[in-house]
Amino acid sequence: EAGVAQSPRYKIIEKRQSVAFWCNPISGHATLYWYQQILGQGPKLLIQFQNNGVVDDSQLPKDRFSAERLKGVDSTLKIQPAKLEDSAVYLCASSFPRGVGTGELFFGEGSRLTVL
Amino acid sequence: AQSVTQLDSQVPVFEEAPVELRCNYSSSVSVYLFWYVQYPNQGLQLLLKYLSGSTLVKGINGFEAEFNKSQTSFHLRKPSVHISDTAEYFCAVTNAGKSTFGDGTTLTVKP
Repeated sequence: EAGVAQSPRYKIIEKRQSVAFWCNPISGHATLYWYQQILGQGPKLLIQFQNNGVVDDSQLPKDRFSAERLKGVDSTLKIQPAKLEDSAVYLCASSFPRGVGTGELFFGEGSRLTVL
Repeated sequence: AQSVTQLDSQVPVFEEAPVELRCNYSSSVSVYLFWYVQYPNQGLQLLLKYLSGSTLVKGINGFEAEFNKSQTSFHLRKPSVHISDTAEYFCAVTNAGKSTFGDGTTLTVKP
């Protein structure tokens, strides 16, 4: 079974530039998450999708971050313009929908962003 | 609201020694509890989970954890660690499809 795919693995940009990350979840997983993991901290939820609808984006800095999951499968997370404090690993995860699975998350390998 | 506190940010231990990584949580409702492991430059992968039933749960790589409702704890243990267990370990609670993670414990196993 293929896991969660993410790209790119690494990205270095200057502040005020833009960047986009892509995620393809495990087939059949209706729920998709984007987490931000700053060095030395645990993952913090940015946005949660159920199919192509947003379930929770309360922690997403909407002035600079956006995310979409147009066809209910793969997803893109964009940052524009980037700030120094956006340097982090962006983790995508997927799971079965609430009430079906156990809440276990399946993670991709992450996209490491460095903002200079 | 729910929260997770991992009481030790770093745990150094010698190979073949036992180890315990501590996790306390706070929640006003019943939650599921998880431990994930993250190896360098990789995503998180599930070690074990508590959903209900027996309070002692066993996971992969010889790890186990005990759920203590009265103390709201879910400590992770392994009786004898290997060099390959060196990694970051995260405790997480999940309710209504929303997961909250602790800040992690770095386990370093020394020869």
